[in-house]
Amino acid sequence: AQSVTQLDSQVPVFEEAPVELRCNYSSSVSVYLFWYVQYPNQGLQLLLKYLSGSTLVKGINGFEAEFNKSQTSFHLRKPSVHISDTAEYFCAVSGQGGSEKLVFGKGTKLTVNP
Amino acid sequence: DAGVIQSPRHEVTEMGQEVTLRCKPISGHNSLFWYRQTMMRGLELLIYFNNNVPIDDSGMPEDRFSAKMPNASFSTLKIQPSEPRDSAVYFCASTVGLAGRETQYFGPGTRLLVL
Repeated sequence: AQSVTQLDSQVPVFEEAPVELRCNYSSSVSVYLFWYVQYPNQGLQLLLKYLSGSTLVKGINGFEAEFNKSQTSFHLRKPSVHISDTAEYFCAVSGQGGSEKLVFGKGTKLTVNP
Repeated sequence: DAGVIQSPRHEVTEMGQEVTLRCKPISGHNSLFWYRQTMMRGLELLIYFNNNVPIDDSGMPEDRFSAKMPNASFSTLKIQPSEPRDSAVYFCASTVGLAGRETQYFGPGTRLLVL
């Protein structure tokens, strides 16, 4: 079984500052990794995902994440955030075994202040 | 193209009443997932279907919860009888295929309050 730990429940930053949201996972098998974003009163939508290949993954809205197998991490980064990035961000993992379900972390609430 | 459609968007009911939540997946998607989101427990997978067949219902909290998918374009999640601790946001998501690599597309959720 897989598990995900998002180390920060809340991250406040100022507009145009860089941000990193941390995610660590645990799994006994190879994994797929995802970041989803949830804006207030909406469902989740995919930001980016790592399936294989290059460990640096670029997603929508200027976000990117790096898969680090040795550290079992998949941290999300953005070099300069906007007010509109205020949302909750979820890291998720699934095993590569076939009919594997997604396991989500508890989420990190990013608040971008002017 | 319409996304995942859920109804109702909000539901307020009294303890002991039956609640039915509805979901229409994206056309062409053959996997459907029901999640529950609370502050305390985060996002939990309740059940998922592939080709209208339940694959894993290990997340369903207890016998008061049941889910059906009578055809490829409709699913229901029923709670009977409802209890205050069932208050949460319930999301439906759909995707193509079943392998964990696929992107899931979420509906807007149903916010349930049980008094």
